[in-house]
Amino acid sequence: GAGVSQSPSNKVTEKGKDVELRCDPISGHTALYWYRQSLGQGLEFLIYFQGNSAPDKSGLPSDRFSAERTGGSVSTLTIQRTQQEDSAVYLCASSSKRTSGRVYNEQFFGPGTRLTVL
Amino acid sequence: QKEVEQDPGPLSVPEGAIVSLNCTYSNSAFQYFMWYRQYSRKGPELLMYTYSSGNKEDGRFTAQVDKSSKYISLFIRDSQPSDSATYLCAMKGEGNAGKSTFGDGTTLTVKP
Repeated sequence: GAGVSQSPSNKVTEKGKDVELRCDPISGHTALYWYRQSLGQGLEFLIYFQGNSAPDKSGLPSDRFSAERTGGSVSTLTIQRTQQEDSAVYLCASSSKRTSGRVYNEQFFGPGTRLTVL
Repeated sequence: QKEVEQDPGPLSVPEGAIVSLNCTYSNSAFQYFMWYRQYSRKGPELLMYTYSSGNKEDGRFTAQVDKSSKYISLFIRDSQPSDSATYLCAMKGEGNAGKSTFGDGTTLTVKP
């Protein structure tokens, strides 16, 4: 079956422009995550959507970053007035509905969008 | 100081070697401890996870968690060239879902 897909795979933009990054999660997955991975670094949590609950936006680094999830499926991460420090790989992940007990809900990652801000 | 610190590497070992990858953490609320493998220009994939302290084995891979020391390890036995990748530890608090906190990763190269 299809995994998590992200588009575009690469994006080069000029400083000050806005960009939109898209994520298509695995069908039926209710949870969706965005992470950022800078060169040689681990993943930095940005935002988490779970069903119809209010998203956890605690990782968004500034008000230039926002994300939406329409219809509980596709998500768009928007970065306004991009800065050079925004250059990174933006990864999206999805996971299935919460289960009871201590079973970890595996996050399935997409291939990422490589953003370069000139 | 970061919540999760990972031995930076890089590591280069001969095929067949035993590899040890390690992370320390400071947040005592972490209950789930994960290891991800990430190949170049790909997203991470979950290798295994452990809930609370203890050991877990899956084939050539063994994960260990020592909550008293706030220290976790991943051991790879009989390492293969196909194990060459970046390994990321990740942790999260109670609850099946929600954000995870990742280490910076250790890049492993297994030479034939």
